[in-house]
Amino acid sequence: GQQVMQIPQYQHVQEGEDFTTYCNSSTTLSNIQWYKQRPGGHPVFLIQLVKSGEVKKQKRLTFQFGEAKKNSSLHITATQTTDVGTYFCPGAGTALIFGKGTTLSVSS
Amino acid sequence: DAGVIQSPRHEVTEMGQEVTLRCKPISGHNSLFWYRQTMMRGLELLIYFNNNVPIDDSGMPEDRFSAKMPNASFSTLKIQPSEPRDSAVYFCASSLGGSKSQPQHFGDGTRLSIL
Repeated sequence: GQQVMQIPQYQHVQEGEDFTTYCNSSTTLSNIQWYKQRPGGHPVFLIQLVKSGEVKKQKRLTFQFGEAKKNSSLHITATQTTDVGTYFCPGAGTALIFGKGTTLSVSS
Repeated sequence: DAGVIQSPRHEVTEMGQEVTLRCKPISGHNSLFWYRQTMMRGLELLIYFNNNVPIDDSGMPEDRFSAKMPNASFSTLKIQPSEPRDSAVYFCASSLGGSKSQPQHFGDGTRLSIL
């Protein structure tokens, strides 16, 4: 079945450092979504990528969809304490798999 | 606009008791999802409805779990009998469209503790 692996599972950074999380799928994805869940909160939709090689930006966040539509990344420039949370990248296909995501902690 | 509404927010009960979680999706959304989140397993899809019909229940752990959607504005997830390993946060989400590739809107979740 479809597998979507997200790395790293945990990342701690100092405020102001950059951060990147990666998602890799064993199969081609029709699209990939990114969600953020703050501690104690619920997942919130951030963005959806559909096209091969697509790059989208939201302020300090840059989202990328691979050329083969099998991988994606989220890069945060100059992290802030408000970026703390867990980031998920479910990919559409036979199942929408959230898994454990990547949990980011930021120290000031 | 009201988002996805879940109740109760917290539930503490003894093992063996029946537990019923409730969800009201966003008006106009025709897909509804139930998820369970634990530290060990992350966020898992339990069941997915489209137009009130269960489409994929492969994530439902066992016969103790059942879900219904009697109409477009209400769904329940029932656990009977409950066990301590069912302790988790249960989320309901809804989306527009008939596929699982539309953005999902999550409720605040029900934090369930089975003693």
